[in-house]
Amino acid sequence: GQQLNQSPQSMFIQEGEDVSMNCTSSSIFNTWLWYKQEPGEGPVLLIALYKAGELTSNGRLTAQFGITRKDSFLNISASIPSDVGIYFCAGQFAGGTSYGKLTFGQGTILTVHP
Amino acid sequence: GEEVAQTPKHLVRGEGQKAKLYCAPIKGHSYVFWYQQVLKNEFKFLISFQNENVFDETGMPKERFSAKCLPNSPCSLEIQATKLEDSAVYFCASSQMGQLRYFGPGTRLLVL
Repeated sequence: GQQLNQSPQSMFIQEGEDVSMNCTSSSIFNTWLWYKQEPGEGPVLLIALYKAGELTSNGRLTAQFGITRKDSFLNISASIPSDVGIYFCAGQFAGGTSYGKLTFGQGTILTVHP
Repeated sequence: GEEVAQTPKHLVRGEGQKAKLYCAPIKGHSYVFWYQQVLKNEFKFLISFQNENVFDETGMPKERFSAKCLPNSPCSLEIQATKLEDSAVYFCASSQMGQLRYFGPGTRLLVL
């Protein structure tokens, strides 16, 4: 089956530091998505990317759709304690019944020390 | 506010028992999706609906899993004869257009 490799698995950082995580795939995706999940809740969409090379920001978050369409990264600048959670990348193919059928990465657990 | 509602929040079943989970999508959303999140945080797509029609069911373990979305009723995911490996959090999501933004809070199923 399809696999997304997300790294790192976990990060322990100090408040104020920047964070970077990435996902690579063996397949080409048409859409890359980044989600954050907090304990006891469902994932929340952070950023959606639609075109190879696209760079999109959402506040302190920046994500890029890799040129090969097989990878994506997410950066968080100047981290704060409420950034704590699990971050997931997800890829989606185009067409047919692929809508909403996401392949998720394994997640990056982020811990921010005040 | 706009929220996907899932019930129950927690469900405990003995191995071999039936489990039924419910999802109320956001009003006006015609697509419903079910995902399974197992202990290692991995999400697995199970099934999607467009209104009451199955849209994609390639992720469903067909022997024991079934799902429905009937008009004017919550969508449901049913597991007949649960197994230990069915223990997971089951998320429902709904959408009308655009990316999958609205996930419910999940149902935590524990099979003993």
